Order: sequence, then structure tokens, then C-alpha cells
Amino acid sequence: NAGVTQTPKFQVLKTGQSMTLQCAQDMNHEYMSWYRQDPGMGLRLIHYSVGAGITDQGEVPNGYNVSRSTTEDFPLRLLSAAPSQTSVYFCASSLGQGRTYEQYFGPGTRLTVT
Amino acid sequence: GNSVTQMEGPVTLSEEAFLTINCTYTATGYPSLFWYVQYPGEGLQLLLKATKADDKGSNKGFEATYRKETTSFHLEKGSVQVSDSAVYFCALSDRGYGGSQGNLIFGKGTKLSVKP
Repeated sequence: NAGVTQTPKFQVLKTGQSMTLQCAQDMNHEYMSWYRQDPGMGLRLIHYSVGAGITDQGEVPNGYNVSRSTTEDFPLRLLSAAPSQTSVYFCASSLGQGRTYEQYFGPGTRLTVT
Repeated sequence: GNSVTQMEGPVTLSEEAFLTINCTYTATGYPSLFWYVQYPGEGLQLLLKATKADDKGSNKGFEATYRKETTSFHLEKGSVQVSDSAVYFCALSDRGYGGSQGNLIFGKGTKLSVKP
């Protein structure tokens, strides 16, 4: 049982490049989400999904795209990277959509945009 | 809107000292409250939670009580260890409407360093 996995662990991009951050979970969780963590800002929600085929925007969605074709995978796409997207990105999942469910976090992807 | 405010860090303590990290929240309705911990180089993991007023969450010697009257969820531990050095995040999960229910709103985090 691997839990929530994320790849890559580190990535450096040039401004304007695109890339996909991968996230997968093997716990059959319906709810998945992406956060970014910036110094002094805590974690902010980018996008989330309540099940395969369903996604919605969080607090800071601009410049990011997501899709959810399977229960297991929830990739995050950067369409045209900007220095402001330099951050640590965390994927999380939980059993259901509801305020009492614990969210399980992946180890994170550290992204630098130059 | 909903928000979480937690004390600024960093906090530096000696081993066996008493720890308090303050957390207050603003929310409509009845949110659930959480403390997550992030050890160096790792993702976040749930430390404890409380889902209704007066509930006390506890784990690994840490405790926090959901106080609706003061809108607070302060984290406490009676005797900290070097291994408790980490960043601690207070968070709430709002009731929301429709799809937003269950999304977490985080405080900015408090870095704790415990010296031997």
C-alpha cells in the first residue's frame, strides 16, 4: 500500500515551458486535491476532484489545469510556467467528500521556474 | 470567508518544555478542525482532529480542544521531544455548499524547533 505518490520530486523549468505533475493513490479514495505551499502562506488549494470525471477550482487555479479520468490518478498540468509558480506542490486524497474525512498527503514536488 | 490564524513562528523550546501553539478560526456553520504536522522533507500528516464543539483531539501526547465560544483550537503538549521538531498547521474543513464541502483551509504554519 503506497498511499499517495507524486512524481517528480524535483523539477526545474524555464519560463513558458509546460509540464505535468503526476499524482496517484491506491486507497480507492474518491476525493483528490492539489495544494501549493509557499513560505509564510501555508497551503492553498489549486484544484480538487470529488470523483472520476469531476473537477473544480480551488483558491488559486489560474495557470493550472487538471483532469480525473480514473479514480487513482489526478495529474496537474502547468500550461505555460511562470516564476510565480515556483513552489512546493502537494497532492492529497481522502475517502470521501466531507468535513470529517482525513486527507492523506503525498511527499510533494518541489518546482522551480527560472 | 473562512480563515485560520495561527501564531507566528518559529518557536524554539528546550526538551521537556510545555508547548502551546495558538490557533483561531473564522467560519460559518460548524467546521471540523485539524492539526497537521510536516516533518522536514515530507508531506503533511494528520496529527489530531475534532469535529464538534468541546471535542478534544489527542495523539502522540498532543491535545487540542474545539472551543466554539472562543473560536479556538490551540495545540498543547506537556513535554516536547527533539523528535517533535516540525512545522505544525492548523486547518478547518468547511461545511460549504455542494462540491466545496470537505476542502481544507490552512493556517500559515508554525515551525517548532526543540533543542536537547
